[in-house]
Formats: sequence, C-alpha cells, structure tokens
Amino acid sequence: DAKTTQPTSMDCAEGRAANLPCNHSTISGNEYVYWYRQIHSQGPQYIIHGLKNNETNEMASLIITEDRKSSTLILPHATLRDTAVYYCIVRLYNYGQNFVFGPGTRLSVLP
Amino acid sequence: NAGVTQTPKFRVLKTGQSMTLLCAQDMNHEYMYWYRQDPGMGLRLIHYSVGEGTTAKGEVPDGYNVSRLKKQNFLLGLESAAPSQTSVYFCATQNGVRSYEQYFGPGTRLTVT
Repeated sequence: DAKTTQPTSMDCAEGRAANLPCNHSTISGNEYVYWYRQIHSQGPQYIIHGLKNNETNEMASLIITEDRKSSTLILPHATLRDTAVYYCIVRLYNYGQNFVFGPGTRLSVLP
Repeated sequence: NAGVTQTPKFRVLKTGQSMTLLCAQDMNHEYMYWYRQDPGMGLRLIHYSVGEGTTAKGEVPDGYNVSRLKKQNFLLGLESAAPSQTSVYFCATQNGVRSYEQYFGPGTRLTVT
C-alpha cells in the first residue's frame, strides 16, 4: 500500500469548513483513497473513499487532485463533535485484508 | 442489531497471566480483524480471518493467538501477558473482499503490570 503523509494536528472554528490534506505521491493507478476518523478512543469510523473523481456523502467531501498524488477531506460545517483523529489510507479496493492506519491528523474544532 | 461487540471493556493483568478477548458480530461478515493501538499511534494489525476456521498473521502477531471456530466470533488470546502488550485492542469486520468499509468495535483497554 502507498504511504500517506498528513499534518499532525489542525484547528478549525465551529461552523467553518475543515479541510484536511493528505499526500500520497506514490499511489498506484488502482489504489483507492479512504478516510476514517476516530473520536476519543472509540473504534475508527468510515467516512468516505474515492479513486479519482471527487466524492460527496452526508458526512464529507473528498477532493482528489488530477495526478492523484494528494487529496483533501472537507467537512463543510464542522461541529464540536467532529473533533477527532482523521486517517487518510491508500489501498487496493479489493485487497481484502487490513487498512494501514498511520498516526493521522488530530482535528480540534474550537467553539 | 448490536454490530460489533468486544468483551471485556477493561482488564488489568499481571505479567505472565493469560486471557482471551472476545469479538462478536451479528452482521454475518466474512472477514474479521484484530488491531492494537498504542498511545498516540495508529492501529496495527495483529491477526485476521477471512472466514470460519481460517486465520492469518498480520503485522504484529508475536505473543498472540487467535481462533475463529464460529463465523460470528473471533477470539484473541494472550498466553503469557507482557507489559509491552499494554494497549487498546480493536476488533473489526468486513463484508467480504470487495467491501470498502470496515466496522470497528468499541475496543478493549488492557493493562499488563
């Protein structure tokens, strides 16, 4: 699986958009980008995933650059409950084993 | 529909003691995983199973054993606990090889003194 690089921590004001970057410069053509988050020592929670097109669901949007070497997770209106560690993971879609979780980005949403 | 449950939630062991962590799921998922998470770090895979009766080693399998006798249960055993095994243990499930999402349990916090 390709390695990812994320900032250690970020702050965001409540109600504003939170933009979390991820670099994955060694990603291969058939690897997907996944985002999970972990709220205060709970089990990680799936957010979104994509291959090359931008994706949106009820939780977030995922913007992947045209060269696929980086991506941004966008939480459009961050709330205090979005304070968590966010993990960017790259892996093959049908590679049925584990996700490789790095240290992630600790997002603090401030009132 | 409980999803993924883990038993116990907390446990303190003395060095050399043994214990078994239980992961149970009611989603009929084929794949199950055991991860550990040390403070300030991401998750590391210990063992996993792609179906009833099958298990395989992950990234950090030493000191652990697993069994998947029933599809809904995945057991993680520590035969002789060591302080280095102090961690939070998470179980996860996945609905087959082409599924994109893993579902995680609430975790078991284990301290070995």
